[in-house]
Amino acid sequence: GESVGLHLPTLSVQEGDNSIINCAYSNSASDYFIWYKQESGKGPQFIIDIRSNMDKRQGQRVTVLLNKTVKHLSLQIAATQPGDSAVYFCAVNRDDKIIFGKGTRLHILP
Amino acid sequence: DVKVTQSSRYLVKRTGEKVFLECVQDMDHENMFWYRQDPGLGLRLIYFSYDVKMKEKGDIPEGYSVSREKKERFSLILESASTNQTSMYLCASSPLDIYNEQFFGPGTRLTVL
Repeated sequence: GESVGLHLPTLSVQEGDNSIINCAYSNSASDYFIWYKQESGKGPQFIIDIRSNMDKRQGQRVTVLLNKTVKHLSLQIAATQPGDSAVYFCAVNRDDKIIFGKGTRLHILP
Repeated sequence: DVKVTQSSRYLVKRTGEKVFLECVQDMDHENMFWYRQDPGLGLRLIYFSYDVKMKEKGDIPEGYSVSREKKERFSLILESASTNQTSMYLCASSPLDIYNEQFFGPGTRLTVL
């Protein structure tokens, strides 16, 4: 079956530095890999997705890197801000259903 | 702005009670989803629906049922609540043929005593 896992349950980053959140997946058959952000007291919010035939995709202050050889996905956040403090989930699209990983909590240090 | 609302933020019920969790979206989305979120387990899909009166089982449907009588409303039903159904329940919606970007409600934290 499908599994999606994050490398670290928590990550602390200095404000202004870049953040890198890593994720591993088991099934290469997924068409899309996805990142969500969940702030305290809110539901998850879509950040960005990347198709499986791509290696990199950029959004506003975020970059997704996909390494299919080692089945690894990362989310890079540039110039981390206090508003980036949240739990980040990587996920895969399996048959039009999203399979979520367990999440990494990102702490922003002042 | 897409808005997904859930009927309660917090709910406390007793074992054996029938529980209804309501979700309403205002963007005319075809797809609606129910998840539960537990510490250490992430989000898991309970049921989903691609159209009115249509429902499909997700990964953990046991102990739950759903109802979709109107396009904007998707209800999750616990026929006989049990303590292991204490959890955060999240509803989401997305437009037809869009599955990666789902819009989530704020969640209902259900406690079953």
